[in-house]
Amino acid sequence: ILNVEQSPQSLHVQEGDSTNFTCSFPSSNFYALHWYRWETAKSPEALFVMTLNGDEKKKGRISATLNTKEGYSYLYIKGSQPEDSATYLCAFGANNLFFGTGTRLTVIP
Amino acid sequence: DTGVSQDPRHKITKRGQNVTFRCDPISEHNRLYWYRQTLGQGPEFLTYFQNEAQLEKSRLLSDRFSAERPKGSFSTLEIQRTEQGDSAMYLCASSLGLRRSQETQYFGPGTRLLVL
Repeated sequence: ILNVEQSPQSLHVQEGDSTNFTCSFPSSNFYALHWYRWETAKSPEALFVMTLNGDEKKKGRISATLNTKEGYSYLYIKGSQPEDSATYLCAFGANNLFFGTGTRLTVIP
Repeated sequence: DTGVSQDPRHKITKRGQNVTFRCDPISEHNRLYWYRQTLGQGPEFLTYFQNEAQLEKSRLLSDRFSAERPKGSFSTLEIQRTEQGDSAMYLCASSLGLRRSQETQYFGPGTRLLVL
């Protein structure tokens, strides 16, 4: 079992604020790092799959960076909106993904 | 909607009963995965299939659990003699299955099981 940790556990921000969360994972035997957004009562939505050290990916106001040598990834949300409220999960591994416990984001209008 | 679908969405059962869940992956996806999420935890890997072949099983998958994908399309997950500790969200995902790893896994909405 691989240890994937996310911080913070939960976060409340005001609408319009920018925010970021951290995912840390084992730095040896790296395969890929996945980010998902999971809204209540919906399917987890794939945001990014990151594979190369130094990777930066962007989707609208959300972006992510990857450092495989030190074993961490950051997810950034610029100008948070209420619809960004969700749990953000990262997962590490090959076919069998090891998930963190997630960061629960609440954006206050 | 052509995403991953799961049935049922909710299941309440009594301890000792058998339950079966179904997952329909995105069509043309060769790989299918099962995960389980308990309260306060992230999803935990249970097993995955490449077409009809079950390629990997987690140690979490006790002998009361069995998964099948008989024709390489939909999959079923059966839990025999359910226990209260089996109460969880059971998630299914699928991916193209063309690469060894690093593929996006697309998730269904899950089946929430409550064992009384």
